[in-house]
Amino acid sequence: NAGVTQTPKFRVLKTGQSMTLLCAQDMNHEYMYWYRQDPGMGLRLIHYSVGEGTTAKGEVPDGYNVSRLKKQNFLLGLESAAPSQTSVYFCASRALGAGGSYEQYFGPGTRLTVT
Amino acid sequence: DQQVKQNSPSLSVQEGRISILNCDYTNSMFDYFLWYKKYPAEGPTFLISISSIKDKNEDGRFTVFLNKSAKHLSLHIVPSQPGDSAVYFCAASAYSGAGSYQLTFGKGTKLSVIP
Repeated sequence: NAGVTQTPKFRVLKTGQSMTLLCAQDMNHEYMYWYRQDPGMGLRLIHYSVGEGTTAKGEVPDGYNVSRLKKQNFLLGLESAAPSQTSVYFCASRALGAGGSYEQYFGPGTRLTVT
Repeated sequence: DQQVKQNSPSLSVQEGRISILNCDYTNSMFDYFLWYKKYPAEGPTFLISISSIKDKNEDGRFTVFLNKSAKHLSLHIVPSQPGDSAVYFCAASAYSGAGSYQLTFGKGTKLSVIP
């Protein structure tokens, strides 16, 4: 049981390049989330999904797209990377909330630098 | 506008003493609160949570207190240990529609426990 995994761990992009970050979870969780963490800013929600085939915008969605074609995977895409997207990206998942548990399980993060 | 505030960016405590981390929130719709712990180069890990219908929750050395009238919660760690040195994030949950509960994070407090 690996929990939440993220690929890749590190990446350096040039401005204008594109890439996809992959998140996978093996806990059969319905909900999945993408966050970014910047120094002094905490974690901010980019996009989220409440189930396979559904996605929604979070607090800071501009410049990103997502897809949830399979329940266990949540992809975050950058179509044209900008230096402002230099950040650490975290994926998280959560079970359908029986009993009021809102705990999210996080992956180890992807450190992205855009030059 | 920050809905979850951790006003102390850092805190230093002697080993064996009590650590008190504080968090304030502004949104009265928040109904569940969580504390996450984060080590460098790792994802956040869940520590403890509390429902808005309670005022205290305890788990071993960790206790979270909630004061709804003041919109304030605190995390107490007793006794503090060097392994507790990490960044602690306060998070609050509210229903955001379409069956989704989102977490709003504070900016974090870096705790250093001095041996």
